[in-house]
Amino acid sequence: EIVLTQSPATLSLSPGERATLSCRASHSVSGYLAWYQQKPGQAPRLLIYDASNRATGIPARFSGSGSGTDFTLTISSLEPEDFAVYYCQQRSSWLTFGGGTKVEIK
Amino acid sequence: QVQLQESGPGLVRPSETLSLTCTVSGGSIRGYYWTWIRQPPGKGLEWIGYIYYSGSTNYNPSLESRVTISVDTSKNQFSLRLRSVTAADTAVYYCARWEEGVNYYYGMDVWGQGTTVIVSS
Repeated sequence: EIVLTQSPATLSLSPGERATLSCRASHSVSGYLAWYQQKPGQAPRLLIYDASNRATGIPARFSGSGSGTDFTLTISSLEPEDFAVYYCQQRSSWLTFGGGTKVEIK
Repeated sequence: QVQLQESGPGLVRPSETLSLTCTVSGGSIRGYYWTWIRQPPGKGLEWIGYIYYSGSTNYNPSLESRVTISVDTSKNQFSLRLRSVTAADTAVYYCARWEEGVNYYYGMDVWGQGTTVIVSS
């Protein structure tokens, strides 16, 4: 089983600041990694697929990078609606999700 | 626009079987992978299993002995059965879909709204 470790667990930032979220895999997942955003009481929403491709309708302030075992989700300038929990997920071997990073208002 | 809707009992007794159905509307079930994911209260996402529209399945090893996922292409539905449930199976259950091919994975782009299942006597 491939384990995904996300860090930090919580990120406290102000609107307008840059957010950098990390996802590390226990084994290489090549580029088969996605990022999701989840707000309270809602289903997750796909942000990024294949490590660096924005899903339909996702603003350009969201970007993904990385390959192999180390991946990053960057939000260039936080908007009020971006405060949420973010999950990475791999599809290289079965499926697994990371434990999540909560981006909260400082 | 494709939409997914989970349905099934919101309360299941311990040791019984949890059964949920996901109905696909606005599009075909063919050509995609379909999955069940759950989220215990206050916790993260856990993959339960998935099925390709053709019927091939794969399950989370930690749940494999208790899970069956099936698909009914004529009804545009797929279903989850989780046997011998305990309180630890209390969660919001989501259905979702994805598309993949050689050298690409498009991510889970459509999700149901989720349905809460409580395991209690």
